Amino acid sequence: QKEVEQNSGPLSVPEGAIASLNCTYSDRGSQSFFWYRQYSGKSPELIMSIYSNGDKEDGRFTAQLNKASQYVSLLIRDSQPSDSATYLCAVSGGFKTIFGAGTRLFVKA
Amino acid sequence: EAQVTQNPRYLITVTGKKLTVTCSQNMNHEYMSWYRQDPGLGLRQIYYSMNVEVTDKGDVPEGYKVSRKEKRNFPLILESPSPNQTSLYFCASSLGDSNQPQHFGDGTRLSIL
Repeated sequence: QKEVEQNSGPLSVPEGAIASLNCTYSDRGSQSFFWYRQYSGKSPELIMSIYSNGDKEDGRFTAQLNKASQYVSLLIRDSQPSDSATYLCAVSGGFKTIFGAGTRLFVKA
Repeated sequence: EAQVTQNPRYLITVTGKKLTVTCSQNMNHEYMSWYRQDPGLGLRQIYYSMNVEVTDKGDVPEGYKVSRKEKRNFPLILESPSPNQTSLYFCASSLGDSNQPQHFGDGTRLSIL
């Protein structure tokens, strides 16, 4: 069974701090990696996608991928209370997508 | 506006009464997928479709059926719903295959009594 593991949290950080979210996956054939944000009662929305080893930055968000370690992370700099949500890691190998159970993030004002 | 539209948004029904949840996208996406979301389990893929008339099972297909007769529509059918299918359901679509980011509908909350 292919798996995607995330720390369920909750992860609590003060406003302005860096939030670090981690994800590991079991299928070495995985090709695409995504971070989605989901507010309570809402649908997931894409934050970042990453396809090759290394870092990818978009504004306050940085995704990091290490295929050798089967590890994906998301860093949120200058965390804001509006970043409080559940963050879902998703891994895809072409047609199937496996989601982690999500990490709940609380940013305290 | 580019969107994925699911209907109904909420449904309470009884065991064994056939139901269909509709999903439609206006982005001309080839790939569409259904997920269920349960507390502590995250999103689990039920079925996906690579294009018209091409569908395949995800990780939790038991008790569900799908069809893809038109590119824009991908209905989810529960022919004999049971209480363990009570869940929050999301339809999603993407350009190409699941290696592209998926756009999600607003979700359908099903309660099977």
